[in-house]
Amino acid sequence: QQQVKQSPQSLIVQKGGISIINCAYENTAFDYFPWYQQFPGKGPALLIAIRPDVSEKKEGRFTISFNKSAKQFSLHIMDSQPGDSATYFCAASVGTSGSRLTFGEGTQLTVNP
Amino acid sequence: ETGVTQTPRHLVMGMTNKKSLKCEQHLGHNAMYWYKQSAKKPLELMFVYNFKEQTENNSVPSRFSPECPNSSHLFLHLHTLQPEDSALYLCASSQGWGGLYNEQFFGPGTRLTVL
Repeated sequence: QQQVKQSPQSLIVQKGGISIINCAYENTAFDYFPWYQQFPGKGPALLIAIRPDVSEKKEGRFTISFNKSAKQFSLHIMDSQPGDSATYFCAASVGTSGSRLTFGEGTQLTVNP
Repeated sequence: ETGVTQTPRHLVMGMTNKKSLKCEQHLGHNAMYWYKQSAKKPLELMFVYNFKEQTENNSVPSRFSPECPNSSHLFLHLHTLQPEDSALYLCASSQGWGGLYNEQFFGPGTRLTVL
């Protein structure tokens, strides 16, 4: 049973554009939602995370938007750069520990110069 | 060495071979994880060790056998694998298991191909 569904599978954006990746979850007990970034040949690295008591969190060019009633959350990358080209994974966990993560399928982002 | 290291980075093995994957974390963490990453699939948590004790086994087939001799080292022993076991195997570590905001730090992975 896939508990976190991520879309799109791949995304191509022009430099300077906005990249948007969406995730939907089923388990209403989830209460910690991190995003991971993975470059080729590297392991995933935590990019930004949100708890359900806020609807938005921004760190630099990266913003998470969270809609608890719709059970959806999304990653927005403003002013996308070629260096942002990577695979992005959303995840969720029960409890704010982030220990037992359920991951989405991943989105391969390509930012063209 | 810094962060989480994994060796080997690439491994090709036959279905009758026995091999081991090694993970070492240099972060002073107490929890270590094994994940399986297959193309276009979510990362699958396989095993978790906290203070050298196994706390999670996500119904992983017995042909995968983990070993955690101390909090810095984690092994995954492989035997009689199947071609569908071909994947990227990722190791991760975190300060603890179950506490607040335990960020997981991942290694670069071992790309395993089973012939």
